[in-house]
Amino acid sequence: EDKVVQSPLSLVVHEGDTVTLNCSYEVTNFRSLLWYKQEKKAPTFLFMLTSSGIEKKSGRLSSILDKKELFSILNITATQTGDSAIYLCAVMYSGGGADGLTFGKGTHLIIQP
Amino acid sequence: EAGVVQSPRYKIIEKKQPVAFWCNPISGHNTLYWYLQNLGQGPELLIRYENEEAVDDSQLPKDRFSAERLKGVDSTLKIQPAELGDSAVYLCASAARAGTYNEQFFGPGTRLTVL
Repeated sequence: EDKVVQSPLSLVVHEGDTVTLNCSYEVTNFRSLLWYKQEKKAPTFLFMLTSSGIEKKSGRLSSILDKKELFSILNITATQTGDSAIYLCAVMYSGGGADGLTFGKGTHLIIQP
Repeated sequence: EAGVVQSPRYKIIEKKQPVAFWCNPISGHNTLYWYLQNLGQGPELLIRYENEEAVDDSQLPKDRFSAERLKGVDSTLKIQPAELGDSAVYLCASAARAGTYNEQFFGPGTRLTVL
């Protein structure tokens, strides 16, 4: 059975800290790994990673994929209270003629002032 | 540009009652997804439409759940009868092209509580 495991499940840090969120996966016919930020209800897309070792960066957020060890990390530097959210990792795979997407449970990040 | 619109935002019903959720995708988006998200879990895909065709409904519990996307625009998801375990957030998402999960936009969701 395909699995996407995120850790930690929850994390509380102070503003200004750097955090690293982890995502490991076991998926047949892997295509890409995606990170989303979920505030309140609607997840918003952050990154899509397809190739190993190539860092994607957007402001204070960055992410990298290791296809050999089957994991990805999402880094947030100089955290701000607005970074508080649930961060979801999802893996896209191909199978049965249609692509699928499996989400992890998410990491609930709380940034304290 | 308006985003994905869902209604209602909240719904409370008693078990065994029917319930329906409505989704209006972003204009021009041919692909539409319905997800279920339980508390503390990531979203789980229920059904994916390409235009009016349901191309992946393998995760939809067909004994009580049904969905339609007439005319390939708006979509409704129905549960009949609802059970206690159906309490969750139901998310709708749309994308311009098939398989472009990185380009899917989510709606605000409908939070269903079954008493």
